[in-house]
Amino acid sequence: QVQLVQSGAEVKKPGASVKVSCKAVGYSFTTYGISWVRQAPGQGLEWMGWISGYSGNTMYAQKSKGRLAMTTDTHSTTAYMELRSLTSDDTAVYYCARDGSQGGSSLGFKYWGQGTLVTVSS
Amino acid sequence: SYELTQPPSVSVSPGQTAGITCSGDKLGQKYVSWYQQRPGQSPLLVIYEDAKRPSGIPERFSGSIAGNTATLTISGTQAIDEADYYCQAWDSSSWVFGGGTKLTVL
Repeated sequence: QVQLVQSGAEVKKPGASVKVSCKAVGYSFTTYGISWVRQAPGQGLEWMGWISGYSGNTMYAQKSKGRLAMTTDTHSTTAYMELRSLTSDDTAVYYCARDGSQGGSSLGFKYWGQGTLVTVSS
Repeated sequence: SYELTQPPSVSVSPGQTAGITCSGDKLGQKYVSWYQQRPGQSPLLVIYEDAKRPSGIPERFSGSIAGNTATLTISGTQAIDEADYYCQAWDSSSWVFGGGTKLTVL
């Protein structure tokens, strides 16, 4: 069945970078895209960006655009999200979710990863 | 930037009907999805394309949209429905989530 399996929790110091992985199993990786969503403690969901599983094209939310890089490895069917210059405001659970091949799928996000807690603390 | 507005909280008695609204500019021209999120869990898609239920979602969950407001309706609300609910829409090459509504069943 379809699963998105994310890497484990991370603790980082301010100014550092973090790279979270999301391994897709059970479906054709290149037929869909992956969106990344984060949730700060006690807060709502915030969309960060999308990457095509086929072409690697990306769309990023304006908020983190200059610090964010999304990539994929089609051979290992894994998507990656790297966030640089971390601050305490980046402390959150980061989720990957299966999206459409062009982003903006009307079908919504039926499949989500289990979430990766990133803690930024000195 | 585009915004979706939800009430912060909604309360409902067990067995009654709960309605959670989501409003946004020209929302009727976009597709809306709804997610349920229980504490410590990943979000669960309960409605997509305004009113469709994914397989495995109980029939008591329904969605509708009129004008600029989408509504998630939970009929015969049960204690297990107590959770946070988020609406979502696509605008200008970005996904937007509503701020979330905490549904309390009491």
